[in-house]
Amino acid sequence: EVQLVETGGGLVQPGGSLRLSCEASGFPLVDFNMNWVRQAPGRGLEWVSYISSAGTRKYADSVRGRFTISRDNAKNSLWLQVNSLTTEDTAVYYCARGVPSTISGWYFDLWGRGTLVSVFS
Amino acid sequence: QSALTQPASVSGSPGQSITISCAGTNSDIGAYDYVSWYQQHPGKVPKLMIYDVNNRPSGVSNRFSGSKSGNTAFLTISGLQADDEADYYCSAHTSGTTLGIFGGGTKLTVL
Repeated sequence: EVQLVETGGGLVQPGGSLRLSCEASGFPLVDFNMNWVRQAPGRGLEWVSYISSAGTRKYADSVRGRFTISRDNAKNSLWLQVNSLTTEDTAVYYCARGVPSTISGWYFDLWGRGTLVSVFS
Repeated sequence: QSALTQPASVSGSPGQSITISCAGTNSDIGAYDYVSWYQQHPGKVPKLMIYDVNNRPSGVSNRFSGSKSGNTAFLTISGLQADDEADYYCSAHTSGTTLGIFGGGTKLTVL
């Protein structure tokens, strides 16, 4: 089955850190660019970070310098290291498959069920 | 970078057509044909409905269509059905400091 499964969310105090994981199955991760998208409770979607198949990284202004995206194509896995968390980072974090590495574009055609990060003061 | 601008809500009766707008700038929607639309039912994962302005993924009903004019993109749903009631989000590639942005979302109510 083609799917993405996120883990690693949890409760953390402001200033804390977490490492979110996303395991891909049913397709070769190496063939796709990948993203993290988050959604705060009752709010809209916010793109967080992107990593190309080759490892080029991009970040939203709101997380640049605090979050780090990485991947291991051989392990079919994606990660998001989230540091210096604030209450504004409370959200469900989705792993989302982007366009195939051989084309240009901007869309997310496969989503995981998400992992909840709660930053409480 | 500011989010794309969508109406907070739209509504329509079964069988009618509705259009949701998504306003951007000449750095995102106006610069690239990389606009996508997502449907999200309450408590569910977003689903890709339209990509590259006007393309439907396999399995998405042809009642859903997309278009673009200048810096604004549109999602049209024809023959409204009860199950279309959901939140809809647009997203676009941008040449700004980030790579892409979403709209604030539009809640569609089927009366």
